[in-house]
Amino acid sequence: AQSVAQPEDQVNVAEGNPLTVKCTYSVSGNPYLFWYVQYPNRGLQFLLKYITGDNLVKGSYGFEAEFNKSQTSFHLKKPSALVSDSALYFCAVRDNTDKLIFGTGTRLQVFP
Amino acid sequence: DSGVTQTPKHLITATGQRVTLRCSPRSGDLSVYWYQQSLDQGLQFLIQYYNGEERAKGNILERFSAQQFPDLHSELNLSSLELGDSALYFCASSVDAGGYGYTFGSGTRLTVV
Repeated sequence: AQSVAQPEDQVNVAEGNPLTVKCTYSVSGNPYLFWYVQYPNRGLQFLLKYITGDNLVKGSYGFEAEFNKSQTSFHLKKPSALVSDSALYFCAVRDNTDKLIFGTGTRLQVFP
Repeated sequence: DSGVTQTPKHLITATGQRVTLRCSPRSGDLSVYWYQQSLDQGLQFLIQYYNGEERAKGNILERFSAQQFPDLHSELNLSSLELGDSALYFCASSVDAGGYGYTFGSGTRLTVV
């Protein structure tokens, strides 16, 4: 069965520093991968997706993600973190019935 | 505003009761997905409808049911409520059934007391 794993419950980073939020996946066939962000008391917002093509995907708010087939990873990155990036981040994979399966989420805390 | 409307935003009810959560998808979207978000279980897929028909079912309890109406809005019915049903319930929509990405509503926070 398709699944994603987010190994870190929380990531702490200082403002201005680069950030990485990790995601690994397990799929049969070609993966369709997604990142979503959830701010407090809000629904999930789409950040970016990988369907095919370039391994480096650029998304909203300056985020990007790198698809690595050999390591089965799809880590979310940003060169310079902002305090306003503090939120809950979810990685997701499309399963074989075309619905999204979400990871457990990683809380990103950016300190001033 | 994402274009996906969920009502009500908050709901407090007693154990044993029944509630209905409503979702209006983004204009033009044919698929509606329901997810439950609880603190200890993350985002759990409940059910998907595409153009009025049930397309996929996840870990949805028998006490829960859903439907999608001809105008494409959807309702999630939760009955015989238990304390453990307290959670955020999200609706998402997409233009097709292909899972190329969803638009989420802001959720309904259900508290069972």
